[in-house]
Amino acid sequence: EVQLVQSGAEVKRPGESLKISCKGSGYGSTSYWIGWVRQMPGKGLEWMGIIYPGDSDTRYSPSFQGQVTISADKSISTAYLQWGSLKASDTAMYYCVSSRYWGPTSYFDYWGQGTLVTVSS
Amino acid sequence: DIQMTQSPSSLSASIGDRVTITCRASQSISSYLNWYQQKPGKAPKLLIYAASSLQSGVPSRFSGSGSGTDFTLTISSLQPEDFATYYCQQSYSALFGQGTKLEIK
Repeated sequence: EVQLVQSGAEVKRPGESLKISCKGSGYGSTSYWIGWVRQMPGKGLEWMGIIYPGDSDTRYSPSFQGQVTISADKSISTAYLQWGSLKASDTAMYYCVSSRYWGPTSYFDYWGQGTLVTVSS
Repeated sequence: DIQMTQSPSSLSASIGDRVTITCRASQSISSYLNWYQQKPGKAPKLLIYAASSLQSGVPSRFSGSGSGTDFTLTISSLQPEDFATYYCQQSYSALFGQGTKLEIK
């Protein structure tokens, strides 16, 4: 079975940079896209973007384009979400998700446990 | 962008009740609609994909229907473990609805 294991909680100051990770396992011979979903405190789910680690094809939600960078290292089955300069409004739980394809038929069938990012001065 | 509107935003029901949650798209999305369940402090879980396909391991009391712009998630007989927040998601642009919180009456 597919498992997504995320890096641990982070506490950062505004203006600092951050890179969180999501390591996948159990894919077998099937390739997956890996995406990120934000959930701000007490709020709903927001899709941020997704990457195909096989060739690093990356798609961003317009709401997050230019705000974050998604990358991957296929040799270690790990995807990353990074910020160059954090803001207090980046405080949220971030989930990584997997999808067998990207497009109208896609769905997020596996979820990581979440990484809580707190940005506070 | 295609917007998703869920209703109601919250709902109180009793064990054994039949419950229906609705999701409406701002334009036709064919059957490209997924449903997720999220319990407090936990990651969401996929329940239904492609409007009506039950994800493996999900109890059969959950069902989805609809196409075009109007979709429903139905729980045929509420169980204690079903009290959670439910989200629809259109898979054209992965946009989620705002969620429906299902609480115990």
